[in-house]
Amino acid sequence: ELKVEQNPLFLSMQEGKNYTIYCNYSTTSDRLYWYRQDPGKSLESLFVLLSNGAVKQEGRLMASLDTKARLSTLHITAAVHDLSATYFCASGGGADGLTFGKGTHLIIQP
Amino acid sequence: DAGITQSPRHKVTETGTPVTLRCHQTENHRYMYWYRQDPGHGLRLIHYSYGVKDTDKGEVSDGYSVSRSKTEDFLLTLESATSSQTSVYFCAISDLWLGQFFGPGTRLTVL
Repeated sequence: ELKVEQNPLFLSMQEGKNYTIYCNYSTTSDRLYWYRQDPGKSLESLFVLLSNGAVKQEGRLMASLDTKARLSTLHITAAVHDLSATYFCASGGGADGLTFGKGTHLIIQP
Repeated sequence: DAGITQSPRHKVTETGTPVTLRCHQTENHRYMYWYRQDPGHGLRLIHYSYGVKDTDKGEVSDGYSVSRSKTEDFLLTLESATSSQTSVYFCAISDLWLGQFFGPGTRLTVL
């Protein structure tokens, strides 16, 4: 059974700081996904990581994948308030759906 | 915009009543999924479909059934709703390279 664990589950940080969210998954997979969810909204796709060593960046967010360590990270650089949201990682991506982590609730304070 | 709509968007019902949620896509994707989202659990897969009339169970399928008679529509039915099925339900479609895209969600409350 594939399991996906995120940490931390809750993160409060100040604007301008850097931080990393970690995503560990329990079985071999070459696909890892990051999503953002704002309160009361649907999930928005952020990154799709398809192979070992993949690194993708969008603005202040950078995601990476290490399939040997079964670890993905989402790094936030110089956080701003607009990045406050819940972030989910998910693994799988075959025909039978994704397995999600429980999400990281991120609050960025001025 | 992945062209996914869900209906209804909100529903309140009573324990023991049947409920059907609809997911409609406009992009002819083969794979469709139903997830539920509950606090502290992330999203969990209920059922999925890999084509018309081809469906399979996910992690939390007990108490749910699905049907797909047309490529564009994927229905989720709660035969006899229970309070434990109070949740937010998301439909998703899958693109091989871009991952899954989610509908706007349906908030279901079972009293």
